[in-house]
Formats: sequence, C-alpha cells, structure tokens
Amino acid sequence: KQEVTQIPAALSVPEGENLVLNCSFTDSAIYNLQWFRQDPGKGLTSLLLIQSSQREQTSGRLNASLDKSSGRSTLYIAASQPGDSATYLCAVRLGETGTASKLTFGTGTRLQVTL
Amino acid sequence: KAGVTQTPRYLIKTRGQQVTLSCSPISGHRSVSWYQQTPGQGLQFLFEYFSETQRNKGNFPGRFSGRQFSNSRSEMNVSTLELGDSALYLCASSGGLAGARTDTQYFGPGTRLTVL
Repeated sequence: KQEVTQIPAALSVPEGENLVLNCSFTDSAIYNLQWFRQDPGKGLTSLLLIQSSQREQTSGRLNASLDKSSGRSTLYIAASQPGDSATYLCAVRLGETGTASKLTFGTGTRLQVTL
Repeated sequence: KAGVTQTPRYLIKTRGQQVTLSCSPISGHRSVSWYQQTPGQGLQFLFEYFSETQRNKGNFPGRFSGRQFSNSRSEMNVSTLELGDSALYLCASSGGLAGARTDTQYFGPGTRLTVL
C-alpha cells in the first residue's frame, strides 16, 4: 500500500526566504507525482506535475524534483512571498488506468510566510 | 476555459438523510474523480468515472455511490448520513481523448458537507 509522507507538517518563514518542502513515498514504482496548494477552505490548485521519467519541473519561482529510486520529491520555492501562504500537498499516482490511477495524497505542509 | 465547478458549495444535513453532490468537469475532460477531505484522514479517494463507467473505487462503504452522465458531469450520493461524513468533498477532472496522457488533475472548489 502506497504511503505518502510530508515533512515538515508546518513551516513559518520570513518573506524573501528560499524554502524546500519534502515529500516521500513508499512505493517507488510511481506513474507521476503532482504538487498542489490549498488555501483554507478551498479546493486544490495544481502547481507542478512530474512524470516518472522526469527529474524536475519548473514553473516561475517553483521547482519540483523527483528521485524515484529513493522515493522522494522536493518542492523548492524561491523568494517566498506572503501570498505563498497555504497548505502544500503532494500526490502520487501508480498507474494510468484502473485501480492504480487514483491519487494518494500526503498529509501536507502548512506554510506561513511572514512580513 | 472554465474550471471545475461543484454545487452546492455548502450543505447542512441531519443524520439519516441522503445527499447528492454535483460536479461539472472542465470542457473536454472525460475523467472525474471524487475525494473526501477531513482533518483526521486527509484526502481520501472515493471513486473515478470515465465515459460514464466507474473504473476505480476507494475503500468507502456502499452508502457512497456515484454516476457520470454522457456530458461527463458527475454526481455522488451519500445515503443514510452519519456524523463522520462531515467533510469537504472535492471532485477533479482530467483527460481528453482516450489514451492521451493528459494526467494533470484539476480540482473544483469543493462542497462542504456538515452532518448534524
């Protein structure tokens, strides 16, 4: 059974700081991994998706890396801003169709960026 | 392009009642998945529909059911509500043509269900 863990559970940083969020998964045979952000009481916003054959993806100030062999992914946020405050979730998918196609989510990292 | 929409956004029910939630996927998307989010259990997969067929199901009791219509809109139903069913229910859509690798899942704003 795939288990996904995110460390730390909560993080508070001053504005402008670069930071790294961690995601680890137990079954390395993943199909892809997706990072989301969730604002309080809201739905999920997709940030980055990394296919199993890729090592990293970048979008603006965000960079996500994937190391399948070690079962780890990191989300790097450069020059953090107060608007980055949210809960960040990673989710893995084991396959394209069938029972493997569901997303298994981590528990999330709650990020607060202070002025 | 409009995003995933869910109705209603908020719902209050009492134990024993039943409820139906609706999800309209992004135009052209054929896959709709449902998730339950609670503070204690986090995000858990309920089921997925593709072209009107359920092709994946999570570990939830039979009180939770769903369906998908020919226009890809989906509904989920919860019968005989329990207090523990209080949660944020999220739907996500993805996929275009069969076989196309459009894997990104796009989530709606969710329906907040409170069971009293």
